[in-house]
Amino acid sequence: KAGVTQTPRYLIKTRGQQVTLSCSPISGHRSVSWYQQTPGQGLQFLFEYFSETQRNKGNFPGRFSGRQFSNSRSEMNVSTLELGDSALYLCASRYELDTGELFFGEGSRLTVL
Amino acid sequence: AQKITQTQPGMFVQEKEAVTLDCTYDTSDPSYGLFWYKQPSSGEMIFLIYQGSYDQQNATEGRYSLNFQKARKSANLVISASQLGDSAMYFCAMRGSNTGNQFYFGTGTSLTVIP
Repeated sequence: KAGVTQTPRYLIKTRGQQVTLSCSPISGHRSVSWYQQTPGQGLQFLFEYFSETQRNKGNFPGRFSGRQFSNSRSEMNVSTLELGDSALYLCASRYELDTGELFFGEGSRLTVL
Repeated sequence: AQKITQTQPGMFVQEKEAVTLDCTYDTSDPSYGLFWYKQPSSGEMIFLIYQGSYDQQNATEGRYSLNFQKARKSANLVISASQLGDSAMYFCAMRGSNTGNQFYFGTGTSLTVIP
């Protein structure tokens, strides 16, 4: 069974640009969540989608958005990039919302110059 | 609100020795789950062990055990017989039903195993 797949793994952008990250969950998993990880802040929750609906949302500005498709694949978008957006973005999937652990991808490492 | 606290930013342990990584939590949920994850330098978070709030027995998975003290709201991870490959960041996390089953993570502990 394939794990959670995130693309791209590494990317470099400049301030003001926008970026789209993709996440394919484990087959059969309907929930996808996104986290931002930085050395100073640890893992910060961005949002979670379940069956194409946003279920939970963290405390991030509106520049951060996401969506989930009917095949459970998810994308997150960051517009008007800032230097502080440089981070490892982790995607995680789970089968249901109220049971089980999160299964994580290897992350997308974004550098904003 | 849910909160997870890991007070040890860095820990060192001799190979083959046991080590305890501390985790305390704060929640008003009557039902919740506690998790530990390992993050090697590659970045992927690896699930290690789970403890439900109503579980009577402490969870064990191979060399990992979770020392669950509900009254103290602590969920410490014990790694026995440490190996060089155990060097990584370790995160404690909690999921509660009253907060939409969202996961909350601690700030992590960096473990270094010394040969």
